[in-house]
Amino acid sequence: DQQVKQNSPSLSVQEGRISILNCDYTNSMFDYFLWYKKYPAEGPTFLISISSIKDKNEDGRFTVFLNKSAKHLSLHIVPSQPGDSAVYFCAASALTNAGKSTFGDGTTLTVKP
Amino acid sequence: DTGVSQDPRHKITKRGQNVTFRCDPISEHNRLYWYRQTLGQGPEFLTYFQNEAQLEKSRLLSDRFSAERPKGSFSTLEIQRTEQGDSAMYLCASSLVRDYEQYFGPGTRLTVT
Repeated sequence: DQQVKQNSPSLSVQEGRISILNCDYTNSMFDYFLWYKKYPAEGPTFLISISSIKDKNEDGRFTVFLNKSAKHLSLHIVPSQPGDSAVYFCAASALTNAGKSTFGDGTTLTVKP
Repeated sequence: DTGVSQDPRHKITKRGQNVTFRCDPISEHNRLYWYRQTLGQGPEFLTYFQNEAQLEKSRLLSDRFSAERPKGSFSTLEIQRTEQGDSAMYLCASSLVRDYEQYFGPGTRLTVT
């Protein structure tokens, strides 16, 4: 039973356009959501997060939206750059579970010049 | 800030052998996590420590797996009598108690032949 799902294994966009990566979760106890980016041969690096008390968090070109009723979150990257090409993991945590994160299987983003 | 380091980066072993991996977290981080990642999947939680105490173990962690964090600093993950199914990337991450964001090391890739 996968509690965090990223249904699109891959996404390809043109440089300068918007990239939208989606994530769904099933566990209502999750109260904090994170996005990590991973380049080949490196560990995941934290990108942006959002608390369940918010519906939007923005950091430069990156914005995360949370729809609690739909148990859905999305990461928007505007404008997309070739250096954004990486695997993006959605993760969810619950305060009651010591911040342990449950990860989705990732979406590989390719930004074409 | 030297980040999270892991050693070795790659390990090839024969089935039935024991292996041990080391993780050095960011020095001021109280929490240390071990994850396993296989191709096409996201990191799966194995266990975590707060200081020197191991507070949770996943049911994925069979009796052949053991982890330690003596003195609340570095951690080791040992796999006894390795099996081919143990082949994976083993990731270590650390964080402060108050934070959800985790900082990952580059991982140790284990291949069991």
